[in-house]
Amino acid sequence: SQELEQSPQSLIVQEGKNLTINCTSSKTLYGLYWYKQKYGEGLIFLMMLQKGGEEKSHEKITAKLDEKKQQSSLHITASQPSHAGIYLCGADPGRGSTLGRLYFGRGTQLTVWP
Amino acid sequence: DARVTQTPRDKVTEMGQEVTMRCQPILGHNTVFWYRQTMMQGLELLAYFRNRAPLDDSGMPKDRFSAEMPDATLATLKIQPSEPRDSAVYFCASGLGDPRTSTNEQFFGPGTRLTVL
Repeated sequence: SQELEQSPQSLIVQEGKNLTINCTSSKTLYGLYWYKQKYGEGLIFLMMLQKGGEEKSHEKITAKLDEKKQQSSLHITASQPSHAGIYLCGADPGRGSTLGRLYFGRGTQLTVWP
Repeated sequence: DARVTQTPRDKVTEMGQEVTMRCQPILGHNTVFWYRQTMMQGLELLAYFRNRAPLDDSGMPKDRFSAEMPDATLATLKIQPSEPRDSAVYFCASGLGDPRTSTNEQFFGPGTRLTVL
């Protein structure tokens, strides 16, 4: 199986501040998925990274995958209350019979106060 | 707007009762997942299906949980008998797991919040 460790477990920031969430894998990642979850709701897909060194951005959120493909970071610039929620990373273990399943980290709880 | 639907959204039941949760995956998706989320354990994979066939249910307590896909538009998760420790939010997700596109993006339903008293 594949284990993902997220840090920090929780984060409280003031509106307007930048922040970074990290996700470290026990094995080389074939693909890394970032999801966001608001309280009482399902997970919403944010971004997927597959290539070493890859970086993607959507609005004020940027995700990167390191060259070795074992660590990913999610960076939010000028945070807003709408960014609050739980951020989870999910790992794609690669080809074979496990095709389709993801292994998820425990999540990072983000609170943004005005 | 295609989305995964789950029913019921909330369920409160007494210990020992049977609970059935239903999921309608996105039309055309060939992979369906059942997850359980708790504060203590986070998001745990219980079982998943591809083309309606169970691929892995090792995350599920076999003595009381069962998961099925009677047809391509319906997945069910049943707990019998339910216990207080089963209280959690249960999510269904569907995806395409398509080797041609190399994407395993999963689309999640809103979840069923189960409380067993």
